[in-house]
Amino acid sequence: DSGVTQTPKHLITATGQRVTLRCSPRSGDLSVYWYQQSLDQGLQFLIQYYNGEERAKGNILERFSAQQFPDLHSELNLSSLELGDSALYFCASSVGAVSSYEQYFGPGTRLTVT
Amino acid sequence: GDSVTQMEGPVTLSEEAFLTINCTYTATGYPSLFWYVQYPGEGLQLLLKATKADDKGSNKGFEATYRKETTSFHLEKGSVQVSDSAVYFCALTNSNTGNQFYFGTGTSLTVIP
Repeated sequence: DSGVTQTPKHLITATGQRVTLRCSPRSGDLSVYWYQQSLDQGLQFLIQYYNGEERAKGNILERFSAQQFPDLHSELNLSSLELGDSALYFCASSVGAVSSYEQYFGPGTRLTVT
Repeated sequence: GDSVTQMEGPVTLSEEAFLTINCTYTATGYPSLFWYVQYPGEGLQLLLKATKADDKGSNKGFEATYRKETTSFHLEKGSVQVSDSAVYFCALTNSNTGNQFYFGTGTSLTVIP
């Protein structure tokens, strides 16, 4: 158990809908990272927050947004969902802002868009 | 831009065989390099890392050396076990390019008794 929790575990929704994925980092970790893992695109880094501020941005679509709250949990919002958004979404946390710190991954949220 | 190229899988080995999974990278400056492992149904776990040239990362019998001259970070293990069956990802992050993470496509390893 990495200490990172993600909810929900599974999510099934229809095209055009909006969903929110939630992540609670390990106790003491200030950075949260979001990743998308799909069969065709592999593992893609989406975005990093450090202590509430956006720190690094990857291949995150404009339809997606994220934030980190004062209690350090983070949410990833996915809107106008398309079939191609079906994937496993991972959250990871680390103690520092610098990306060379070890990241601890949560178990993931599997999103299925029908 | 930065990228990671990883050996295609799947790889099947007998127990106690020698493992090499190749990883090469493209990046400016001096990125940090990582190997992550993903066991079935789980999230990724950091296996080892190296943050500067000639560093050797090691963990659980796995090793990888950061070779700037060949832009490589190959993963090796002298004697694999059935419990090493998993997907292995090479990754880099680079402060020169906004601290994004770049992952390879993953290499699936199956170790048979």
